[in-house]
Order: sequence, then structure tokens, then C-alpha cells
Amino acid sequence: KNEVEQSPQNLTAQEGEFITINCSYSVGISALHWLQQHPGGGIVSLFMLSSGKKKHGRLIATINIQEKHSSLHITASHPRDSAVYICAVGPFGNEKLTFGTGTRLTIIP
Amino acid sequence: DSGVTQTPKHLITATGQRVTLRCSPRSGDLSVYWYQQSLDQGLQFLIQYYNGEERAKGNILERFSAQQFPDLHSELNLSSLELGDSALYFCASSPRREGRGGYTFGSGTRLTVV
Repeated sequence: KNEVEQSPQNLTAQEGEFITINCSYSVGISALHWLQQHPGGGIVSLFMLSSGKKKHGRLIATINIQEKHSSLHITASHPRDSAVYICAVGPFGNEKLTFGTGTRLTIIP
Repeated sequence: DSGVTQTPKHLITATGQRVTLRCSPRSGDLSVYWYQQSLDQGLQFLIQYYNGEERAKGNILERFSAQQFPDLHSELNLSSLELGDSALYFCASSPRREGRGGYTFGSGTRLTVV
């Protein structure tokens, strides 16, 4: 079993829909990261969370430390949100980020 | 522009060859991280340097080595290249040793071994 599991693997939605991507992990962590990778390949760090909830524009990330689960939500989705979203965790005591396999999101106009 | 500069953007080389990938961290960041992203393995942590010293090591092959120079730029050296080394190699930087200031990623170097 992978240390970081993401679901769904692929998600296609219509423009304007509310999107949820889930991440579950099995190790104790110091922080959880949500990353966005566009088709060109570049990676952008969206959020770093150790507790609670963070919001940036239309993106919201939440984490439940007890349940070892995080969600990334996108409100009013737009075609430019189409990308691969990757969850990564940093265990206590070291910075060897472990990555999920990513969720490929496609937003159709 | 994220502030992390990776060169070259693309590299095509033959099996058995050696290449050097370069990363300049965001201004003020002391930590540099290297990651490999291949089709079958996804993103994997290779190695971290902090202020010139190796800090953490991940799934880095013995054929690969890295260093961080006094000006904080880092180089990843890949030798005796094999077809399976074809991947995207990312560098990221963070302000602190533990990465708690968050990570800034470069745009990657796409390595193709033929």
C-alpha cells in the first residue's frame, strides 16, 4: 500500500462545477502539500498544511490530522484549472517528501 | 517565473553518457531539493542540500550525484545513463532547512536517453 493515496485518479467535470480531490496518508507528517502540474510540466506549490483549512482564491485545502486525510476543493471550476493535482507529505523528522500519484483534472467548457 | 531556474530545459543524450543538470534556487533560499518524475514511478525525492551540505537522501542511484556550491546553486550529475533514466528532473528550493517555509519548484529538465 502506498503511503499516499489520491482519489480519484482522473476527474472530468463541466465548467462551474465544484471539484473535490482527496488524499489519504498512512504516516505521521509534519506537513501536507498540494501541488499543481500543468501539461507543460511545471509544478506550482498551492498549499502547505499542518492543520485546519487554507483558502486561496477559488481553491480551498483542508486537513484532518486524526483521520490522516486532506481534501482540495475548487469552486466555480474553469478550464484553466485543468491540470494534475498532486498531494505530497513530509514525515516528521525529515524532508523526504512522498508523493501521491496525482489526480488528472479536466474541466470542459 | 517561480524564481527557481533550471537549465537546460531539454536534454537528449545517448546511453552510457554523463550529463549535468543545474539549479539556481530562489533568492534567499538555502535548501535545494532534487526530484525525479518518470512515467512509471511518479515523483520521487532524490536528495536535499542545505547551505552547501547534504541534508537528506532519497531514492538516488549510485550513478547519480549532486552538490551545492557556495553561491547556493546546485548541480545533479547523472552518469552511465540508461534508457530508464529518461524523466523530468525537478529542483525545488525552500528558505529553511526543514522546508517549512514551503517549496518553490523550477520548471524542470526533461532528459531523454536514447
